[in-house]
Amino acid sequence: EAQVTQNPRYLITVTGKKLTVTCSQNMNHEYMSWYRQDPGLGLRQIYYSMNVEVTDKGDVPEGYKVSRKEKRNFPLILESPSPNQTSLYFCASSLWAGPGDTEAFFGQGTRLTVV
Amino acid sequence: DAKTTQPPSMDCAEGRAANLPCNHSTISGNEYVYWYRQIHSQGPQYIIHGLKNNETNEMASLIITEDRKSSTLILPHATLRDTAVYYCIVRASNAGNMLTFGGGTRLMVKP
Repeated sequence: EAQVTQNPRYLITVTGKKLTVTCSQNMNHEYMSWYRQDPGLGLRQIYYSMNVEVTDKGDVPEGYKVSRKEKRNFPLILESPSPNQTSLYFCASSLWAGPGDTEAFFGQGTRLTVV
Repeated sequence: DAKTTQPPSMDCAEGRAANLPCNHSTISGNEYVYWYRQIHSQGPQYIIHGLKNNETNEMASLIITEDRKSSTLILPHATLRDTAVYYCIVRASNAGNMLTFGGGTRLMVKP
């Protein structure tokens, strides 16, 4: 079954304690990205990756890092989490957009609370 | 990407067709219309997309006006499980894969 898997689904952590949210896809997609969703602000892109070792900032990258060492994995790293990073996070993947365009597949989400 | 305007909420009776409108009056020639939905904080789910012609798949139909300034997503026989927030997104095929989500329409399907 084609899917994007995020872990953990729920996480409560303390300010400043480094954490990693993992994302893995089994569809051999080139493009992967991270979004955060906050009430009243909708879904906003944090970082994206067009292929292995190619990453770039989205709309709200401050406080986050990513890496793309393998095609299937795209972890989101919070080196020093702060309470304003409390949010619902989604990972997404798709084939790299071409003339025919393509749909994005989203993970189930990670609800992060930073206290 | 062109900005989209959707009503914030709509109701629909179970078994009836749900017609969700979207205005995108500034759409340009190479921009596609996409629809996604999000069921109660789950990950958004792709529904359908189109450029000029009407499109239909197993989930829904997409009707795009001739001038492409608006579109309608049709769920032919809405069920309670179709209760969700529906997002209309417009983007160019050469604009990369980022999706810009607006506020969407909260569809409530009622028994």
